[in-house]
Amino acid sequence: AQSVSQHNHHVILSEAASLELGCNYSYGGTVNLFWYVQYPGQHLQLLLKYFSGDPLVKGIKGFEAEFIKSKFSFNLRKPSVQWSDTAEYFCAVTQGNRDDKIIFGKGTRLHILP
Amino acid sequence: NAGVTQTPKFQVLKTGQSMTLQCAQDMNHEYMSWYRQDPGMGLRLIHYSVGAGITDQGEVPNGYNVSRSTTEDFPLRLLSAAPSQTSVYFCASHRQNYGYTFGSGTRLTVV
Repeated sequence: AQSVSQHNHHVILSEAASLELGCNYSYGGTVNLFWYVQYPGQHLQLLLKYFSGDPLVKGIKGFEAEFIKSKFSFNLRKPSVQWSDTAEYFCAVTQGNRDDKIIFGKGTRLHILP
Repeated sequence: NAGVTQTPKFQVLKTGQSMTLQCAQDMNHEYMSWYRQDPGMGLRLIHYSVGAGITDQGEVPNGYNVSRSTTEDFPLRLLSAAPSQTSVYFCASHRQNYGYTFGSGTRLTVV
């Protein structure tokens, strides 16, 4: 069965620090990959997604992620975080030819110190 | 364009009571799904649907029923509420090869 692992459960950074959140998935076939963000008290919003093409994907709010197929990874990055980035971040995957089910990682809670 | 609408936003139930969480989308998406979110567990799939009249079980289906009589609506029924079903429930819809759109959630407490 597919699974998604997020390595960091809780990350604390100061404003302007660089961010990298790890995500690995376990599925050998074609995958679609997503990062979602959940701000406190809100629902999930799509940050970025990868279906095919350029493995470096740019999303909203200055976030980007790189798909490395050989490492089964899809790490999320941002060069300089802001206090408003405080949220929980979820990596997710669907199978490339049938995305009727999306599998989420357990989430990484990011806290940015002002 | 409302997207995905969930009602109610909050609910308190007594053990053994039944209720239905409503979910409606106005984007004509063929896929809809229900998740529960618990601290440290991420989102876990309860049930999903690939179109009107077609539903299937997800990771944690026990204690929940669904039906999909129309493209727009995908209600989730709790048959006999238990404290273990205290959670935040999210409904989502999507089209093939597009990202999921989530509703704003229902916070359910079972006492």
